[in-house]
Amino acid sequence: GQQLNQSPQSMFIQEGEDVSMNCTSSSIFNTWLWYKQDPGEGPVLLIALYKAGELTSNGRLTAQFGITRKDSFLNISASIPSDVGIYFCAELRGGGKLIFGQGTELSVKP
Amino acid sequence: NAGVTQTPKFQVLKTGQSMTLQCAQDMNHNSMYWYRQDPGMGLRLIYYSASEGTTDKGEVPNGYNVSRLNKREFSLRLESAAPSQTSVYFCASSEGFQKQFFGPGTRLTVL
Repeated sequence: GQQLNQSPQSMFIQEGEDVSMNCTSSSIFNTWLWYKQDPGEGPVLLIALYKAGELTSNGRLTAQFGITRKDSFLNISASIPSDVGIYFCAELRGGGKLIFGQGTELSVKP
Repeated sequence: NAGVTQTPKFQVLKTGQSMTLQCAQDMNHNSMYWYRQDPGMGLRLIYYSASEGTTDKGEVPNGYNVSRLNKREFSLRLESAAPSQTSVYFCASSEGFQKQFFGPGTRLTVL
């Protein structure tokens, strides 16, 4: 079964606020991926992390690969209405297999 | 380029019926994948094909079969649909094992 735990499960925030979500694993990861899924669409890759301690930004998004290699967080700064969606962490395993977390559903109130 | 396309977008089946979900990609990717997504859960891998001519089981393969028809197309077949297979099905493709591109999904209901 899945070994990834994401929190929180859902968030309701005001436009302009910063958002933080995280993902933990019971085992060591080699690659952390963060995806966003817009309503009615497939997931889209936001950020990929490959090294423990790595901190990577993509616009208003920042993600870090935990030093223990068992966790990762994703921050969104100055949220806007189009940030609405479900954010997934995922581990990339051998053969290209992705193992997804349960997702964090983000709602942004204008 | 259309990217990854899936047909149909929606489908309703009765228990025991069979159907095939179609997926095609125009990015010349070697690897293709089928996932299912259930409420409150992330996507779970059903089957994947690392290259044309090969297929392998993922996390939840029971009740499904796949065919990698050629490099572009990867189909998922339900031989005898069950209510537990009600889900949203996503196809994806990638070059190597890195960035996977997902299709828009097929919403399947089994009554």
